Amino acid sequence: GAVVSQHPSRVICKSGTSVKIECRSLDFQATTMFWYRQFPKQSLMLMATSNEGSKATYEQGVEKDKFLINHASLTLSTLTVTSAHPEDSSFYICSARVGGWTNEKLFFGSGTQLSVL
Amino acid sequence: QQPVQSPQAVILREGEDAVINCSSSKALYSVHWYRQKHGEAPVFLMILLKGGEQKCHEKISASFNEKKQQSSLYLTASQLSYSGTYFCGTEKVTGGTSYGKLTFGQGTILTVHP
Repeated sequence: GAVVSQHPSRVICKSGTSVKIECRSLDFQATTMFWYRQFPKQSLMLMATSNEGSKATYEQGVEKDKFLINHASLTLSTLTVTSAHPEDSSFYICSARVGGWTNEKLFFGSGTQLSVL
Repeated sequence: QQPVQSPQAVILREGEDAVINCSSSKALYSVHWYRQKHGEAPVFLMILLKGGEQKCHEKISASFNEKKQQSSLYLTASQLSYSGTYFCGTEKVTGGTSYGKLTFGQGTILTVHP
């Protein structure tokens, strides 16, 4: 089946540093990927829609300059958390859509646990 | 707007049944169901696209009532492996092409004991 690879799985960084998270579709092309954030014991909240070859679409309340998204190829989307602060600590997860009208599925990466000290 | 799941938590003994509900205030294009184990990514269970559609995944089935904007997940003869947090994710009817853009419910914690 379709596989979405996310890397790294865990990051611990100092406040003020930038962190890049990669999301790759391994055996299919994904023109659209989605980035979610999940705080402990809470639901997944959509941050942005990553579109290959064009600008990402951000959800209301998500800072574009804080969370930089680049979708440079059909198999790779990256999320960069710039100047990370402790409140950015969270579980970040990407997903990619596979299929069309009647067989659509979403596959998730394994997630990245970000801890900002 | 976030769909509402009920109940928030369920505790079962192995072999018992459970139902998890997901309600939306918006007209829906589809409903997705996922199960997430602690510290892991969500795993896709099924997607329901049509009003009244029912699907099955092993002994887990789901229905989608388009008119009521509701979906229910039925877990039959639960197994220990069913434990986890179940999320419904909904896609709104937008007339556009934002397929795959899901809004998730708050989750239902299911615990199955031996």
